[in-house]
Amino acid sequence: KAGVTQTPRYLIKTRGQQVTLSCSPISGHRSVSWYQQTPGQGLQFLFEYFSETQRNKGNFPGRFSGRQFSNSRSEMNVSTLELGDSALYLCASSLQGRGGDTIYFGEGSWLTVV
Amino acid sequence: QKEVEQDPGPLSVPEGAIVSLNCTYSNSAFQYFMWYRQYSRKGPELLMYTYSSGNKEDGRFTAQVDKSSKYISLFIRDSQPSDSATYLCAMSRYGNNRLAFGKGNQVVVIP
Repeated sequence: KAGVTQTPRYLIKTRGQQVTLSCSPISGHRSVSWYQQTPGQGLQFLFEYFSETQRNKGNFPGRFSGRQFSNSRSEMNVSTLELGDSALYLCASSLQGRGGDTIYFGEGSWLTVV
Repeated sequence: QKEVEQDPGPLSVPEGAIVSLNCTYSNSAFQYFMWYRQYSRKGPELLMYTYSSGNKEDGRFTAQVDKSSKYISLFIRDSQPSDSATYLCAMSRYGNNRLAFGKGNQVVVIP
């Protein structure tokens, strides 16, 4: 069974640009969450999608957005990139997302903003 | 006060030693407790998952949860160099998939 797949794995962007990251959850999983990981703040929750609807949102500015498609694949977008957005962005998937699910993470997308 | 506290100090132990890691939390609504292992430049990998107070054992790994003290622990017996990684505690509330993480402990097992 394939795991959570994230693309691209590595990317470099310039301040002010925007970026789109993609995530394919484990087959059959309907909940997709996104996290940002930095050395200073650790892993922080961005948002969760279930059945194409955002169900939970973390404490990030509106520049961070996401969506989920009917096949459960998800994308997140960061607009007007800042240097502080340099981080590992992790996607996680689970079956139902009701709490108590086993949550699996992808390998992440490493974003460097210069 | 952060929801989940995990002393992020690195930990170096000789091969074969017992590794002891712990986290405390402030939100009594947390019902599900996890430990993830993360190797350098990789995503977190689920190691242990518990939802009640007590011990859970899986091979060389034992997870403990004490809800009354809001304290969770992970023990690694007979540690191996391949256990060298960052260990993250995480927890979530009932009906909610949002994980709150500790900062992580970097563990180095010296051969």
